[in-house]
Amino acid sequence: QVQLQESGPGLVKPSETLSLTCTVSGGSISNYYWSWIRHPPGKGLELIGYKIYSESAKYNPTLRGRVTISVDPSKNQFSLNLNSVTAADTAVYYCARKISDYIGGGMDVWGQGTTVTVSS
Amino acid sequence: DIVLTQSPDSLAVSLGERATINCKSSQSVLYSSNNKNYLAWYQQKPGQPPKLLIYWASTRESGVPDRFSGSGSGTDFTLTISSLQAEDVAVYYCHHYFVNSKTFGQGTKVEIK
Repeated sequence: QVQLQESGPGLVKPSETLSLTCTVSGGSISNYYWSWIRHPPGKGLELIGYKIYSESAKYNPTLRGRVTISVDPSKNQFSLNLNSVTAADTAVYYCARKISDYIGGGMDVWGQGTTVTVSS
Repeated sequence: DIVLTQSPDSLAVSLGERATINCKSSQSVLYSSNNKNYLAWYQQKPGQPPKLLIYWASTRESGVPDRFSGSGSGTDFTLTISSLQAEDVAVYYCHHYFVNSKTFGQGTKVEIK
C-alpha cells in the first residue's frame, strides 16, 4: 500500500527557509493531490496547502506568500518550502495524500510526521 | 474563513457507552451541485498521525469500524462512537474542505471514565 515519509532538517534558524520532502512509496504520485499539514505544540491542526502535478498549488491564505509546494513525479516526491520562518512555525509537519473533493475530499494516507523547531 | 467549533473540548465515557462529539461550522459546507457536505472527521492517537474516519460528513472510510458514524448537514455535524472501546482513546478533529481555507476544529479529547 501507499506509504509516505517526511525528511528534512529538524532545526531551522529564524528568518531562514524550512524545506521538507515527502517520499511516496508503493504507488504513483500522479493523479492525486498531495498536501502538507502542521501541528504546532498546544494548538490544532493546520492545512498548509496541497497540489496535484497538473494544477497550481492551493495554499492556506494565512501562509500565502511564504509557502511553495511542488511535486516531482520523476522522483515520486513532493516538497514544502516555507520561508522567513519564526518560532510560530515550530510544529510537527505531516505530509498526506488528499483525495479530490469531488470523490471524497479526505486525506487518507499520512506520513508519520517530522518535528521542526525554529530556533537560533 | 470558515470556523469550526467542536464541543465538548473533552469527554470521559465508560467502556461500551456512547460518545458524541459535535462540530459547528460558521458557514454551510453543503455543496449544492452534488448535495455533499464537505466535512471530514479524523482520529489522532498520541504519537501518531491523524487517521481519516469519515468524509462527506457521513461516509465511513474503508476499514473504519462501524461503531463510528457521522451525521449532520449544513452547519451542524456529529461524530458518534456507539460503543466506546479502549483503543478509541484519542483526539478527534472535524475538518472542512468546502473552500480554500480548509480549516480544522480545535479537537475533542476522548478518554475512558
